[in-house]
Amino acid sequence: SQKIEQNSEALNIQEGKTATLTCNYTNYSPAYLQWYRQDPGRGPVFLLLIRENEKEKRKERLKVTFDTTLKQSLFHITASQPADSATYLCALDIRWNTDKLIFGTGTRLQVFP
Amino acid sequence: DGGITQSPKYLFRKEGQNVTLSCEQNLNHDAMYWYRQDPGQGLRLIYYSQIVNDFQKGDIAEGYSVSREKKESFPLTVTSAQKNPTAFYLCASSSSGQAYGYTFGSGTRLTVV
Repeated sequence: SQKIEQNSEALNIQEGKTATLTCNYTNYSPAYLQWYRQDPGRGPVFLLLIRENEKEKRKERLKVTFDTTLKQSLFHITASQPADSATYLCALDIRWNTDKLIFGTGTRLQVFP
Repeated sequence: DGGITQSPKYLFRKEGQNVTLSCEQNLNHDAMYWYRQDPGQGLRLIYYSQIVNDFQKGDIAEGYSVSREKKESFPLTVTSAQKNPTAFYLCASSSSGQAYGYTFGSGTRLTVV
């Protein structure tokens, strides 16, 4: 069956360190993959999109990699801050290059001072 | 400022009642979506619409109905046929036909009393 897996356990790291979150998928061939941030009781906020022909994408302190052979994306936050504490969701298109996304369950990141 | 507005923020429904959740966007986006979020299950797609007067079922459409009479509006009705409607409902929009990130509303929390 088709599945997107994110680590359900919370990731706790110290301020200033790099946080790395993982998104694995099976039985999909997505054209692109997206990452979102969600705070409690709020809607997700779009962060980054990476296409299947891109290995890496950066935006300020954020970096995303996309390995279509391993069927995995890694999401990095460098120089993490307590304000980065939130749940991070990965999402990918259900059929190749469509607008319809399927979401992972998210990983909660806690950055402590 | 452009955005997507969901109302109400909190909604209480009695058993056997139909309720309608509002979603309005002024982003000029063609595509709109409804997701349901339950703890530990991530976002699940209920319905989506890529053009006015047209919409498609998502993975969990049973017990829900939608309409898309205007580009800006995509209301969701939770009918009495939905057996477990208590959840956090999220509306989103995107520019259709290209791999843009979704813009989400702030959500409606529906509780059956």
